[in-house]
Amino acid sequence: SQQGEEDPQALSIQEGENATMNCSYKTSINNLQWYRQNSGRGLVHLILIRSNEREKHSGRLRVTLDTSKKSSSLLITASRAADTASYFCATALWAGNMLTFGGGTRLMVKP
Amino acid sequence: GAGVSQSPSNKVTEKGKDVELRCDPISGHTALYWYRQSLGQGLEFLIYFQGNSAPDKSGLPSDRFSAERTGGSVSTLTIQRTQQEDSAVYLCASSLGQGNQPQHFGDGTRLSIL
Repeated sequence: SQQGEEDPQALSIQEGENATMNCSYKTSINNLQWYRQNSGRGLVHLILIRSNEREKHSGRLRVTLDTSKKSSSLLITASRAADTASYFCATALWAGNMLTFGGGTRLMVKP
Repeated sequence: GAGVSQSPSNKVTEKGKDVELRCDPISGHTALYWYRQSLGQGLEFLIYFQGNSAPDKSGLPSDRFSAERTGGSVSTLTIQRTQQEDSAVYLCASSLGQGNQPQHFGDGTRLSIL
C-alpha cells in the first residue's frame, strides 16, 4: 500500500517558472527521498532528507520536511524543458529499509 | 561504473507461463530491492535482500512470486503461472545498505501477459 499522497497529480508550467510538489505520509519515518522518472526509464535519486533535517538544497532543487505535519515539498527553481518527468517521494521507516512511494506528480515544462 | 542492469527489458508471455527476471546490482552494494510499477497500483515494494540476512518478502503479492540472490550479487525474480494482473514494470534497485543511502534503480523489465 502507498505510504502517502502527492499533490498535485499533474503540473504544467512554462520554462523559467518554479515548480512545487507536495508529499504527505502517514507514519513516522527515518528519511524521505525524492526521485525523478522519465518515461520508460527507472527512477533517478534526487535528494534524501533525514527525519531530523528540515531543509536541503541541491542545485536548483530545494526540499523541506515537516515531521509534525508528516509532509514534504520539492521545489524546482528556474525550470527547464528537460525537467519534464514524473516526481515521486518515498519514505523509509529506518535506514536502508525498503521505500514506500507516493503516487507521483507528472510535471510538464513547456519551452 | 555501471549502474543497475535488468534483463530482459521487455517480456511478452502467455498467461500461465513462468517468467524469470534478472537484476545485476551495482558492484559492492549489499542491499537489493524489487519493486513493481503498474497503472492501478503505483510503485509497490516486493522483496528486499540485505547482505546474508533472510530476505524481507512481505511485499510479495502471492506465492507465485519468489526471488533469490546468489552470492550476494545477481538476483532473479520468478513469477510462476503468470496472470494478466501480473503485467507491470518490474524495477530493481540496489544501495550500499548502511545508513541513509539512496537507492539506484535499473530501467526495469516491462512484463506483458497475454
